[in-house]
Amino acid sequence: AQKVTQAQTEISVVEKEDVTLDCVYETRDTTYYLFWYKQPPSGELVFLIRRNSFDEQNEISGRYSWNFQKSTSSFNFTITASQVVDSAVYFCALSEAGNQGGKLIFGQGTELSVKP
Amino acid sequence: DTEVTQTPKHLVMGMTNKKSLKCEQHMGHRAMYWYKQKAKKPPELMFVYSYEKLSINESVPSRFSPECPNSSLLNLHLHALQPEDSALYLCASSPYGVAGGEGTDTQYFGPGTRLTVL
Repeated sequence: AQKVTQAQTEISVVEKEDVTLDCVYETRDTTYYLFWYKQPPSGELVFLIRRNSFDEQNEISGRYSWNFQKSTSSFNFTITASQVVDSAVYFCALSEAGNQGGKLIFGQGTELSVKP
Repeated sequence: DTEVTQTPKHLVMGMTNKKSLKCEQHMGHRAMYWYKQKAKKPPELMFVYSYEKLSINESVPSRFSPECPNSSLLNLHLHALQPEDSALYLCASSPYGVAGGEGTDTQYFGPGTRLTVL
């Protein structure tokens, strides 16, 4: 069965600290996609990254970086030099190529609070 | 432009009212989605439309009625809701239609409608 686990419910850091959000997934499919979304207090889910199961190359985008490791079924997200604007709930999600309807399996989310 | 718009932003309704939520995208996306999100929880999929046809209904009560009048517009008609239906309703779209294993597109979300049922 497919499942996404974000074990960290809440994280609080001080501005300029680095922070890593953990995501562990379960799937039987060999072809699948992983996503990260950011949900600020305004409510909109903002797409951050999509990674397919055949591409384990890590990605960096500005202060954001992602570490995909199939061996541990993890897709962790690191924010370097955090800022107050990074405060939000972050969701990791999984979509299997074999599913119907493009269903996203979300983790429970990690609420990140960055204090000045 | 990856914009999905939703109206209204906030809605308060009584249990006997009929109201509608509207979602619009002009990105040429062929799949559109409705999600319900309760506080402190992840979004839950309600409906998926692919090429303007209902593709997925996640066993949603009939008091929620989706409609897709054209490829850019998605409505959610509400009738006889219960207080527990109060939530954030999110619309999303993705570039390609969804059918038998194609459903791995990136979904782009709108800002949501915060619904309160009294």
